[in-house]
Amino acid sequence: AQSVTQLDSHVSVSEGTPVLLRCNYSSSYSPSLFWYVQHPNKGLQLLLKYTSAATLVKGINGFEAEFKKSETSFHLTKPSAHMSDAAEYFCVVSLTGANNLFFGTGTRLTVIP
Amino acid sequence: DSGVTQTPKHLITATGQRVTLRCSPRSGDLSVYWYQQSLDQGLQFLIQYYNGEERAKGNILERFSAQQFPDLHSELNLSSLELGDSALYFCASSASSGPHYEQYFGPGTRLTVT
Repeated sequence: AQSVTQLDSHVSVSEGTPVLLRCNYSSSYSPSLFWYVQHPNKGLQLLLKYTSAATLVKGINGFEAEFKKSETSFHLTKPSAHMSDAAEYFCVVSLTGANNLFFGTGTRLTVIP
Repeated sequence: DSGVTQTPKHLITATGQRVTLRCSPRSGDLSVYWYQQSLDQGLQFLIQYYNGEERAKGNILERFSAQQFPDLHSELNLSSLELGDSALYFCASSASSGPHYEQYFGPGTRLTVT
């Protein structure tokens, strides 16, 4: 079975400070891992994806994530938060060869001015 | 704007009724996915179609059905609606089938069952 656990339901940071959103996964096979962002009243947008190439993945808007197989983690980071980063972030796993995505429960990021 | 369109944006209906949600994928995309987002269950995959054929099935209830038409648009039919079906329903599309193809999400249809 495969699943993702987002360790924090809510993260609050000050503008200009680093962002860390934590995600652990479990998968019996080589997973594909994604981070999606959902702004209020909007659809989901792909931030970045890991599909067994480089373990450090760079995404849009300055976000990046590192795949650590030994820790079964795929944490999302950004060096400096911006007000526009305030949104819900979802860590997502998909089995190699499978089509459906399994979403974590989401982490709501609040950015304080 | 992802290029995926969904209609209607909002739908309010009564228990026991039947509704149809519509999705138009990005131009050229062959795969369409349906997801349900609710407070109880979070975001869940329902079903996928690829070039008109069902490709994968998730947590889709028997009261729900979907299809993809020759022009590649898709419809999700929800029948015998219950209060618990109230949710945001997303459609996504991708160029082909498989996790390596990015899924582009539509803005969603918010369904309220009263």
